[in-house]
Amino acid sequence: LAKTTQPISMDSYEGQEVNITCSHNNIATNDYITWYQQFPSQGPRFIIQGYKTKVTNEVASLFIPADRKSSTLSLPRVSLSDTAVYYCLVGGDDKIIFGKGTRLHILP
Amino acid sequence: KAGVTQTPRYLIKTRGQQVTLSCSPISGHRSVSWYQQTPGQGLQFLFEYFSETQRNKGNFPGRFSGRQFSNSRSEMNVSTLELGDSALYLCASSLGRRIGTDTQYFGPGTRLTVL
Repeated sequence: LAKTTQPISMDSYEGQEVNITCSHNNIATNDYITWYQQFPSQGPRFIIQGYKTKVTNEVASLFIPADRKSSTLSLPRVSLSDTAVYYCLVGGDDKIIFGKGTRLHILP
Repeated sequence: KAGVTQTPRYLIKTRGQQVTLSCSPISGHRSVSWYQQTPGQGLQFLFEYFSETQRNKGNFPGRFSGRQFSNSRSEMNVSTLELGDSALYLCASSLGRRIGTDTQYFGPGTRLTVL
């Protein structure tokens, strides 16, 4: 059964690039990787999704190596408002498995 | 477009009681999923309903059940509450093409406290 592992917490400074890596060794062929962001007292919000190689949107990039056993969410030039919990999720036809989340704290 | 709404936002129950939580999805969304969020376990998938049928189910005991109505609104029920059921219960709606890849739009959650 697929399981995702990500760091419990990370600190960074405003203006820096932040990379959060998620491990998913048992990912299945049809599974995709998705990242969500959650602020206190809110539900998670979609950031980005990918299957392999690199995906970029207006807020983040997602890097997935060829073996797909891990993925890295990259947040360019973070600000204080990026302080949140970030969840990695592996999902397929009939399953959706969230990691336990990485608490990112951005310092001024 | 209105977002996902959940009621009530807060709930306090005692052990052994049962509870029903409600979720109204985004208009046009046919899938509703439920999640339990706790500090120790993070986000865990409970079940998904699509067109009034349970389509996918997580690894939770039978005390956790749900249903979906013809207007896509969904309810979740927990019977014989235990202290460990204290959690934030999140509902999410999506278009319903594929649970693992559809973008999930989450509500603000219902905070359940079991005393």
